[in-house]
Amino acid sequence: DSGVTQTPKHLITATGQRVTLRCSPRSGDLSVYWYQQSLDQGLQFLIHYYNGEERAKGNILERFSAQQFPDLHSELNLSSLELGDSALYFCASSVGVGQGNTIYFGEGSWLTVV
Amino acid sequence: KNEVEQSPQNLTAQEGEFITINCSYSVGISALHWLQQHPGGGIVSLFMLSSGKKKHGRLIATINIQEKHSSLHITASHPRDSAVYICASWNYGGSQGNLIFGKGTKLSVKP
Repeated sequence: DSGVTQTPKHLITATGQRVTLRCSPRSGDLSVYWYQQSLDQGLQFLIHYYNGEERAKGNILERFSAQQFPDLHSELNLSSLELGDSALYFCASSVGVGQGNTIYFGEGSWLTVV
Repeated sequence: KNEVEQSPQNLTAQEGEFITINCSYSVGISALHWLQQHPGGGIVSLFMLSSGKKKHGRLIATINIQEKHSSLHITASHPRDSAVYICASWNYGGSQGNLIFGKGTKLSVKP
């Protein structure tokens, strides 16, 4: 158990809909990262928050948004869903920012868009 | 832009064999992660290393910063080692960094 909790574990929704994925980092970790893993693209970095502030952005679509709350949990919002958004979405956390920090991954949220 | 390449993509071994998975990256870094992804999807961080060698049980990871290359070795492989192994390095854009992942090596260890 990494200590990173993601909900829901599985989600099936229709195209055009909006979903929210939730992540609770390990106790004491201030950084939260979101990653997308699809069959054809592999693991890709989406966005990084540190202590409530956005620190880095990767290949995150404009239809997607995220935030980190004062209690450090984070949410990833996916809207106007398309079939291609079907993927495994991971949240990870670390104590600090950048290299030198071990990153702990959650179990992931499986999103299927039908 | 940092590119991370792994080889081989797929690897089948017999139980007990010594296994090596290679990772090369294009941009100089100072830290690299090795991750294990189980068939169920969960990801576990195995190693984070910036120089030399690290060992944990039957797993050994090495890195050569000058050659931009890292290897993950598994000694006395076991069917429970079957998983996808992924290396990832930090990519620096702007003032902060993020991980760039290799495509993974799918390992299957037969009894």
